[in-house]
Amino acid sequence: AQKITQTQPGMFVQEKEAVTLDCTYDTSDPSYGLFWYKQPSSGEMIFLIYQGSYDQQNATEGRYSLNFQKARKSANLVISASQLGDSAMYFCAMREGVEEYGNKLVFGAGTILRVKS
Amino acid sequence: EAGVTQFPSHSVIEKGQTVTLRCDPISGHDNLYWYRRVMGKEIKFLLHFVKESKQDESGMPNNRFLAERTGGTYSTLKVQPAELEDSGVYFCASSQDVLPRDWGKLRGRSEQFFGPGTRLTVL
Repeated sequence: AQKITQTQPGMFVQEKEAVTLDCTYDTSDPSYGLFWYKQPSSGEMIFLIYQGSYDQQNATEGRYSLNFQKARKSANLVISASQLGDSAMYFCAMREGVEEYGNKLVFGAGTILRVKS
Repeated sequence: EAGVTQFPSHSVIEKGQTVTLRCDPISGHDNLYWYRRVMGKEIKFLLHFVKESKQDESGMPNNRFLAERTGGTYSTLKVQPAELEDSGVYFCASSQDVLPRDWGKLRGRSEQFFGPGTRLTVL
């Protein structure tokens, strides 16, 4: 079963506008964490933001915020005031507390974001 | 502080040959992970070291793949013999903490820091 679903293969956004990248997840474990990573064309994976399953508030990191809707099992990434440098592949990932040391990440298929000037 | 480094950045080999990928984690990180992304597919977990011990190798596709982490520092991932379907990008990541069972209740996130990846092409 797909654990992480990113339904948008590609997205366009106008520079300076906000964009939302969708992510839904599937888990029966009450203890989990959700991550977003950015992969620019250079290939490195850059950590953006984290949301823990017990966190009461939505995570924010600068222009990035995570719209966490636990009941719907969604963890959408919101990028405000898009910049040309935001053009990249974006991955949603989850870590479950299934095993005692269950630290592995499960990734979605990714969303390619293109920012237009 | 140096990040996670991987060598080589690219490797092109023929089917049946052997290739060894190397990963140097961030200094002091006990956890080291290998992932790979085959063309058009999701990034998939391969295995997880805690220091020099294999904690979880459930993602290793078959016995043609051998990972080692001697001395708990750098790690190597050997593919022998390589097949066409092994082509893809191999990522290494490291993190500092080993998380307890109820880690979700902790405020810390212990994110994994990724290297730039090794792009492997098997012809």
